[in-house]
Formats: sequence, structure tokens, C-alpha cells
Amino acid sequence: GESVGLHLPTLSVQEGDNSIINCAYSNSASDYFIWYKQESGKGPQFIIDIRSNMDKRQGQRVTVLLNKTVKHLSLQIAATQPGDSAVYFCAEKPGANSKLTFGKGITLSVRP
Amino acid sequence: DAMVIQNPRYQVTQFGKPVTLSCSQTLNHNVMYWYQQKSSQAPKLLFHYYDKDFNNEADTPDNFQSRRPNTSFCFLDIRSPGLGDAAMYLCATSIRGAGANVLTFGAGSRLTVL
Repeated sequence: GESVGLHLPTLSVQEGDNSIINCAYSNSASDYFIWYKQESGKGPQFIIDIRSNMDKRQGQRVTVLLNKTVKHLSLQIAATQPGDSAVYFCAEKPGANSKLTFGKGITLSVRP
Repeated sequence: DAMVIQNPRYQVTQFGKPVTLSCSQTLNHNVMYWYQQKSSQAPKLLFHYYDKDFNNEADTPDNFQSRRPNTSFCFLDIRSPGLGDAAMYLCATSIRGAGANVLTFGAGSRLTVL
């Protein structure tokens, strides 16, 4: 798999490989993080979330890792499929009733 | 299925001609949001309602207004659309309170301004 920071807007992976999408967040007070997937012409869809008292959470084919020391969040997609092609956004929230702040999107392109 | 529904999906208007976009939800969530999204950029929050309590973002232009007549419906009014207002407008809902932070988005309304 390949990894890319938010300063590189596109990640291209081979179908079947693992993908790693990285996100650097800015607010050290953020205690809740979400990854959203947005397919072309659709609204963002929830993928997975994690609270700051955890450093890893797994879902179906996806894993989110949180490193609070360096304020870094990553989304790992196992066995990437063509249907995973989309723009991925990380979002952070510094408290239960605070505003969700989105990071810049990264486009994931899956090669057949 | 419970969901967030936006209408219309595509709206074309002329420069300066008012537009209203609608959002309805069957989730019974107490918070509704309107976001503006341009060209795969991050969604930008315009305003949100917590029940009937309206919360405007400081940098949202006066050209954008919103109404929430009841729990299920929320409207975005653009009084005099400019070319720069062409974008995807996303409605989202959530439950306000500890432990419930996930926003559920609608499919969006794409606005074109001629």
C-alpha cells in the first residue's frame, strides 16, 4: 500500500492492495475524529470514527489509527476495491457540542 | 429507511434570481446543518439549527438565509445568487449531546448560476 499526506491530493492504488490515507489535524483539544467517504455527485458517508481515548479502531476492511502525540490520523483500507474510489475527508471535533471541522479531501483512485 | 433527503438534486438559476433548497429528515435529529462545498473541497459550514435555535457562522454572507419550520424540514434561501455561489449544498443532521457526534448527510443539491 501507499501512504500520502494531505498535501498530496490524490492516491492511486492497485485493486487488492491496502490503502493508507493520512490526515494531520490542528486542534490538540479535539477529542473526536471521523472519516467520511464522498463518491462523485453524492453527500459524504460516514466510514468510521474514533475518540481520543483510543489509538486504534477497526471496522469492516477499515482501520483508523490515532496518534495524539503528533496529531495524526490515518485510515487504512484493506484489499482496496474499485468501489472504494472516492474523495476521503477526515474531520475533527473539539468537544461534544462543538463544530465538526473537515480537513482537505484526498482522492483515492483504484486501478483495476 | 431513515434518511436525509434534499430537493432538488440539481438547480439552475440566473444571476440574482432567488433560490430555495430544501432538506427533510426522518431521523428525528435535533440538529440540522447546511454546508457549502465547491469542487471536492472540504464542506464549509454555513449555519446550523439546534432545535429552533439558529446558529450562523461568522463568515456566512447575508445572502444566505435559513428556515426550520419544524423538526423534519430545513430550507436554505439564497436571496441573490452570484456566480461564486455555484456549488454543492449539503444538508446534514445529528443528535446533539455527548456520545452522538456523527453527521448524516443528504445527497446534496448542486446549484448552477448562469
